[in-house]
Amino acid sequence: QQQVKQSPQSLIVQKGGIPIINCAYENTAFDYFPWYQQFPGKGPALLIAIRPDVSEKKEGRFTISFNKSAKQFSLHIMDSQPGDSATYFCAAGSGNTGKLIFGQGTTLQVKP
Amino acid sequence: GAGVSQSPSNKVTEKGKDVELRCDPISGHTALYWYRQSLGQGLEFLIYFQGNSAPDKSGLPSDRFSAERTGGSVSTLTIQRTQQEDSAVYLCASSLAPSPGQGSGGYTFGSGTRLTVV
Repeated sequence: QQQVKQSPQSLIVQKGGIPIINCAYENTAFDYFPWYQQFPGKGPALLIAIRPDVSEKKEGRFTISFNKSAKQFSLHIMDSQPGDSATYFCAAGSGNTGKLIFGQGTTLQVKP
Repeated sequence: GAGVSQSPSNKVTEKGKDVELRCDPISGHTALYWYRQSLGQGLEFLIYFQGNSAPDKSGLPSDRFSAERTGGSVSTLTIQRTQQEDSAVYLCASSLAPSPGQGSGGYTFGSGTRLTVV
């Protein structure tokens, strides 16, 4: 019940494409869903986060879509650029868990 | 400091030796977390410290792993009698909020310690 399942494991898109990364969770106590971006040799950095009281959140070219009934959320990257090539992690947490549970990660490559 | 500092950045050790990994969180951050990232894998939770509360050790994979946090600041992760399967990047993160979703909610991660057991 503590797992967060992320797909796909890897993704290749052309510049300007819209990669979509999906995550699913089981624990209905989760109330905070962040996405992290990690470049090689660096720690993950917070990209964008959503709470279950909204169905969508946009920050620049990054959008989270949230489906509470399906217990799924996804990250969309609009007008993707080669500089977006990185590993993306979804996560879920709550005040009860005291920690974030991370998905397995998606390696994104954006070709010029 | 401006960010979470981890040392060493790389550590190569022989099987059976003990290692200590250090994490210096952002000043004022009350929550501190250790995660492990194996090659091509996600982030595996290890341990969580919050203020003066008893740490959440539920993610530690065996009794060879331990961690402490002194004075509510610096933390040390110790791995005794290292095994080859311990090879991974060990990431430390800190947070101003006591738990995810509170306040800004986000973790700030260090760059990690890459541990190689040979």
